[in-house]
Amino acid sequence: GAVVSQHPSRVICKSGTSVKIECRSLDFQATTMFWYRQFPKQSLMLMATSNEGSKATYEQGVEKDKFLINHASLTLSTLTVTSAHPEDSSFYICSARWFRDYNEQFFGPGTRLTVL
Amino acid sequence: GNSVTQMEGPVTLSEEAFLTINCTYTATGYPSLFWYVQYPGEGLQLLLKATKADDKGSNKGFEATYRKETTSFHLEKGSVQVSDSAVYFCALSASYNQGGKLIFGQGTELSVKP
Repeated sequence: GAVVSQHPSRVICKSGTSVKIECRSLDFQATTMFWYRQFPKQSLMLMATSNEGSKATYEQGVEKDKFLINHASLTLSTLTVTSAHPEDSSFYICSARWFRDYNEQFFGPGTRLTVL
Repeated sequence: GNSVTQMEGPVTLSEEAFLTINCTYTATGYPSLFWYVQYPGEGLQLLLKATKADDKGSNKGFEATYRKETTSFHLEKGSVQVSDSAVYFCALSASYNQGGKLIFGQGTELSVKP
């Protein structure tokens, strides 16, 4: 149980285009989902927290107009990188938390974004 | 504020060697503590956790004990295998009124040679 999927696993796009990444909890209802960014050889940086049916809460320094997060259902959250630029290239990881265990998050396999 | 500090890597060991990866934390309240493992190109997998002082988390031969007096959660394994080569992250879960966010250490890369 407690499986989180991400799609796509890898995406290459041209500078200026927008890219959408999906995060799904496959066998549980995720009241909260988190989006992280990870640079090579570095730790995870929390970008935002999203609760189903409400606006995402962004961490300081993260541009909310550039990284649009939607958590429309208890099993799906999406991250849209708008007008992507090469500096947005990174590994994006989502995680999900369910109401029964506030302390534990289940992680997706990550999405590698490369902006040319 | 909350923070996690891990020993720097990379750590290189021979197969069957003893492993210790140090982790210390700073937190208000009583956080839960976690070790996650990340294999190349993949997301994070929970390795073990402890939710209160003196708890010992264990899984796949790895162990860590929640030591409140030393604010530590060191990861140990008695005999590592080549397949344990990965990056290990120590993390704490912030309190409810801080959103329960996970605060990660910087990660420690482990390389096990045959």
